[in-house]
Amino acid sequence: EAGVTQSPTHLIKTRGQQATLRCSPISGHTSVYWYQQALGLGLQFLLWYDEGEERNRGNFPPRFSGRQFPNYSSELNVNALELEDSALYLCASSLGGGTNEKLFFGSGTQLSVL
Amino acid sequence: GQSLEQPSEVTAVEGAIVQINCTYQTSGFYGLSWYQQHDGGAPTFLSYNALDGLEETGRFSSFLSRSDSYGYLLLQELQMKDSASYFCAVGPSWGKLQFGAGTQVVVTP
Repeated sequence: EAGVTQSPTHLIKTRGQQATLRCSPISGHTSVYWYQQALGLGLQFLLWYDEGEERNRGNFPPRFSGRQFPNYSSELNVNALELEDSALYLCASSLGGGTNEKLFFGSGTQLSVL
Repeated sequence: GQSLEQPSEVTAVEGAIVQINCTYQTSGFYGLSWYQQHDGGAPTFLSYNALDGLEETGRFSSFLSRSDSYGYLLLQELQMKDSASYFCAVGPSWGKLQFGAGTQVVVTP
């Protein structure tokens, strides 16, 4: 069974541009979470989507947004990129209704903002 | 404020036992989780404690004391493949995990 898949693996953008990151959850999982991991740091919660709706949001500015599609895949959009947005963006999934117990993570998208 | 504290690095030899402590201060509490992450890899779930006490999964055990806002991960019979970063995470609200900065475990021969 396929795990959580993310694309692209690497993304290079310049300051002010927009980035779109994509995530496909494990089959049967309807909750998708996004986390940011800056170099050498812990994971920072960005967003939680369940059944197509945004359910919870972390302390990030509105230029971080996303959506979940009917097939439960998700995309994260980062507008007006800033240098400090350079980080590994991790997507995770779980069964519906959300969980704080066990998340299944993808390998991430490494975003570099120049 | 909300915070999680864990040591930045622990070094031990193969076969040894390592304990990684985690203290937390959050406005809400929906369990304490532990994740392992190898360099450049996806974090993988290790254990979860919702109630006080010890949970054992093979060579790994996790403990929680909610009254002390404290937990730990115990790694036994250390192997070289256990060299990785270990993160404790607390759920201050449903569907959201707050992670510590991670503990780098270095296993030496």
